[in-house]
Amino acid sequence: QKEVEQNSGPLSVPEGAIASLNCTYSDRGSQSFFWYRQYSGKSPELIMFIYSNGDKEDGRFTAQLNKASQYVSLLIRDSQPSDSATYLCAVRGKNAGNMLTFGGGTRLMVKP
Amino acid sequence: GAVVSQHPSRVICKSGTSVKIECRSLDFQATTMFWYRQFPKQSLMLMATSNEGSKATYEQGVEKDKFLINHASLTLSTLTVTSAHPEDSSFYICSARDPRGARDQPQHFGDGTRLSIL
Repeated sequence: QKEVEQNSGPLSVPEGAIASLNCTYSDRGSQSFFWYRQYSGKSPELIMFIYSNGDKEDGRFTAQLNKASQYVSLLIRDSQPSDSATYLCAVRGKNAGNMLTFGGGTRLMVKP
Repeated sequence: GAVVSQHPSRVICKSGTSVKIECRSLDFQATTMFWYRQFPKQSLMLMATSNEGSKATYEQGVEKDKFLINHASLTLSTLTVTSAHPEDSSFYICSARDPRGARDQPQHFGDGTRLSIL
């Protein structure tokens, strides 16, 4: 079992819809969770991070964390074609220091 | 603005050449930096953890004599791909975390280096 799992997609949503991206992790002691967006040929850029159970909102993005179920999700409201990218979930374990463990990424396609 | 600077952004060279990639943290000191490799349509693969003033920690399957890492200062780590071959062609990305501030500061990535070996 991979430590951080994501559906590779592609996830296709129409413009204006809500895109829901999910991520599960195996290390129950994980403390910090991050979502990165990566456009083709570019390096990842941070979208959000969350470390407490519940929701965290930033503009059109909402991160949701459920430590009991060991999943973290990212909701993108009013999806735009420019949101089309690969979204990487990353987890920092309890004893990982600075190191992050990345999921394989979910490719999102927003169709006009 | 960018908090991690990576240079060069693109390298094209002949087989057998050694290539050095630099990763700099801007405005903060990074005792630890990370080097990743990404092949087309695949996810990031952690190659090694660069530790300032000590030896790098390599992930399983990564040849330390092939991928030399030097972290001689708190703001600079270098990755040298020695005697590069076509199979080393990939996208190399570094990252670092600003240790100041909140405990859950994220890692910031450099812009990556696209290495093409002919």
